[in-house]
Amino acid sequence: GENVEQHPSTLSVQEGDSAVIKCTYSDSASNYFPWYKQELGKRPQLIIDIRSNVGEKKDQRIAVTLNKTAKHFSLHITETQPEDSAVYFCAASMSGKLIFGQGTTLQVKP
Amino acid sequence: GAGVSQSPSNKVTEKGKDVELRCDPISGHTALYWYRQSLGQGLEFLIYFQGNSAPDKSGLPSDRFSAERTGGSVSTLTIQRTQQEDSAVYLCASSLTGRKETQYFGPGTRLLVL
Repeated sequence: GENVEQHPSTLSVQEGDSAVIKCTYSDSASNYFPWYKQELGKRPQLIIDIRSNVGEKKDQRIAVTLNKTAKHFSLHITETQPEDSAVYFCAASMSGKLIFGQGTTLQVKP
Repeated sequence: GAGVSQSPSNKVTEKGKDVELRCDPISGHTALYWYRQSLGQGLEFLIYFQGNSAPDKSGLPSDRFSAERTGGSVSTLTIQRTQQEDSAVYLCASSLTGRKETQYFGPGTRLLVL
């Protein structure tokens, strides 16, 4: 079935350290992979996305890598700051819609 | 321009009552999505509209749930005979054409069924 697995479910890092969140997807036809950040009580907001024709994309402290052969993609946040604390969701396009992972709660400790 | 808006922001209802949730997508966006997010959980896909038609209703949990979209704009999600397990945040999102694009989310409607 259509499925996206996301790990870990919770992640705690010290300010300044890096954080990595990993997702795997089931549909080899998926070709669009966004990442959303959701702060407590707020709506999910896109932070970065990648399409299947590239293997990596960077935007300042955030990067996403994609391995289509293995059907997994990852979010990398470097030099983490307390304001990075939030729930992060990965998603993959399947059958015209986005299937979301279960989310990772990231806590950045000052 | 304005983002996706939803109303009401909060709704408390009694078990067995019907509720209607409204979504106003970004102007010009043809694709509209409904999701459900239970406390501390991920985003559960409910239904997807392209224009006024719904090519994918696969996520609707039961026949108590229905949605419509008129004029290619506003959408309403209706839950009939609400149950306590329907309590969740209902999020709406829209995108320009629905094909491998950024989805912009509304603030959600927090539904509590007593």
